[in-house]
Amino acid sequence: QSVLTQPPSVSGAPGQRVTISCTGISSNIGTGYDVNWYQQLPGTAPKLLIYNNSNRPSGVPDRFSGSKSGTSASLAITGLQAEDEADYYCQSYDYRLSGSWVFGGGTKLTVL
Amino acid sequence: QVHLVESGGGVVQPGRSLRLSCAASGFTFSRYDMHWVRQAPGKGLEWVARIWYGGSDKYYADSVKGRFTISRDNSKNTLYLQMNSLRAEDTAVYYCAREGRVPDWGQGTLVTVSS
Repeated sequence: QSVLTQPPSVSGAPGQRVTISCTGISSNIGTGYDVNWYQQLPGTAPKLLIYNNSNRPSGVPDRFSGSKSGTSASLAITGLQAEDEADYYCQSYDYRLSGSWVFGGGTKLTVL
Repeated sequence: QVHLVESGGGVVQPGRSLRLSCAASGFTFSRYDMHWVRQAPGKGLEWVARIWYGGSDKYYADSVKGRFTISRDNSKNTLYLQMNSLRAEDTAVYYCAREGRVPDWGQGTLVTVSS
């Protein structure tokens, strides 16, 4: 069981907007720790998509955006494309683990 | 450009040991905390261990505490994970990752624990 909670799956048609939630508690996201988001295509390593809640590394399209409020964070993908079909993970920190990483269980995005 | 390359994975019998390495380049290795993260086949990401930049403090997931040891050699820009008393449930791709505002990950090395 993961420390952070994500929906197991989401889906959307090409061109649509989807959001993926990431819910934590007071010892992790709720205490102010930042949230990072990763995209993982089949058979590849996770790729950083969003860092520090809402920042995109260079090369990541602005169709991807992140936000955080209270004990939750969200990843939004607009203008959905077939190549966005992947697994998405949120990651933060937890002071119960001396500030080490915690992950969501992952969300499988299906582009219909 | 940050580059992390894991090595040392393979097939090992239950109860045996294995040491993973992660060669770092493109940044000042000795200034960053480092992590090991693993992913079992078909499963999600699981944090395994963290080591401070100087190596003085180390933290472990409960699932590996007492069996795995994280270490580093800053003179060689290399991170290690010594895995003892391996179990079938330790089968996974193991990634090393750099702590920081913009985390970086390696490509991973596969460890298979099987008789």
